Amino acid sequence: EPEVTQTPSHQVTQMGQEVILRCVPISNHLYFYWYRQILGQKVEFLVSFYNNEISEKSEIFDDQFSVERPDGSNFTLKIRSTKLEDSAMYFCASSAEAGLMETQYFGPGTRLLVL
Amino acid sequence: DAKTTQPPSMDCAEGRAANLPCNHSTISGNEYVYWYRQIHSQGPQYIIHGLKNNETNEMASLIITEDRKSSTLILPHATLRDTAVYYCIVARPGSARQLTFGSGTQLTVLP
Repeated sequence: EPEVTQTPSHQVTQMGQEVILRCVPISNHLYFYWYRQILGQKVEFLVSFYNNEISEKSEIFDDQFSVERPDGSNFTLKIRSTKLEDSAMYFCASSAEAGLMETQYFGPGTRLLVL
Repeated sequence: DAKTTQPPSMDCAEGRAANLPCNHSTISGNEYVYWYRQIHSQGPQYIIHGLKNNETNEMASLIITEDRKSSTLILPHATLRDTAVYYCIVARPGSARQLTFGSGTQLTVLP
């Protein structure tokens, strides 16, 4: 069964450093998403991406964040200058263009720890 | 998107049906009801969705009331591996719609 994959599974970084989280969406999917979950809190939407453009973004997704689809398979989330409060699980998701509603399929997540 | 209300926790005996309720009294006509679950900090897993008719798949059944103000997710024969946080999400159709996760229901399946 096709699945979304994410690398790395864990990332430890120093405050102020840049990190890039990588995702390989399901191969025939066209819509891509990033969510995050701070420990013990809700899953929060960050950004959605379609046709090489951001479709929606939340207030969390400020200028420190960027997304890119550098090739035909990867989808990345970059945090330019990490802060302590960026420590969280980051989930990538993808969905196909399928009628009115596209089911989002999530990856296993990257646990980011900012020290 | 409409807000949902779920009980914070429920227990269920292994092998019995787990019935997870969700209230979404402000749902509008074109909003779907989605159910996801999250097993111990893993990525959320899609379970089922519906608009107004009852739906069934290999994982679960979804019962939506006639007025669409509430729904129930049914796991017909719960196993220990079904222990997870279950999220009821209401969302409008459209491309690349964000999912808004609430606190969900922590379902614990007891041996």
